[in-house]
Amino acid sequence: QQQVKQSPQSLIVQKGGIPIINCAYENTAFDYFPWYQQFPGKGPALLIAIRPDVSEKKEGRFTISFNKSAKQFSLHIMDSQPGDSATYFCAAHGSGNTGKLIFGQGTTLQVKP
Amino acid sequence: DVKVTQSSRYLVKRTGEKVFLECVQDMDHENMFWYRQDPGLGLRLIYFSYDVKMKEKGDIPEGYSVSREKKERFSLILESASTNQTSMYLCASSPGTVGLKAFFGQGTRLTVV
Repeated sequence: QQQVKQSPQSLIVQKGGIPIINCAYENTAFDYFPWYQQFPGKGPALLIAIRPDVSEKKEGRFTISFNKSAKQFSLHIMDSQPGDSATYFCAAHGSGNTGKLIFGQGTTLQVKP
Repeated sequence: DVKVTQSSRYLVKRTGEKVFLECVQDMDHENMFWYRQDPGLGLRLIYFSYDVKMKEKGDIPEGYSVSREKKERFSLILESASTNQTSMYLCASSPGTVGLKAFFGQGTRLTVV
């Protein structure tokens, strides 16, 4: 079963646009929600993460919005650039210290110049 | 910087072969993971290990086994490779503490013919 559902599967925006990627989860025991960025030929790398006790987190042009009651969270990329073109994965971590992450299906973002 | 190194970038194996994928991390992390990445399905957890000689099944363990004899090394074994195991395989490690940042290797593209 897919415990973390991500949409859209692909996204094309113009430079300067604000792409938004959405994720929904089912397990209320999840306690950590990271986003990973993957460029072609590379492994995913942590971009930004949030815990469920806050509703928003910003790091540079990247913002996570978190809605605990709806069990949804989203990634916004402000002033998007062609260098942001990549695949983005949301993920969720259950309680405990095993570090086990459940990933969404991924979103391929293309930012056109 | 943490480094997670996967032994091969590309592998081509025949159906029925026993296949070993090796992963080494250099940051003394307790947790190590094997994921497979397929388009539209995201990253799916095969197995993970939170200590030497300890392992737990992930979401799709069928047809795979793992070995962790030393803390820095985590091996994925395909007992009898099949064409439906053609995929990108990603190894990751993370510390066994709050923070949970996972570091990924560059991936192994396995083709089973």
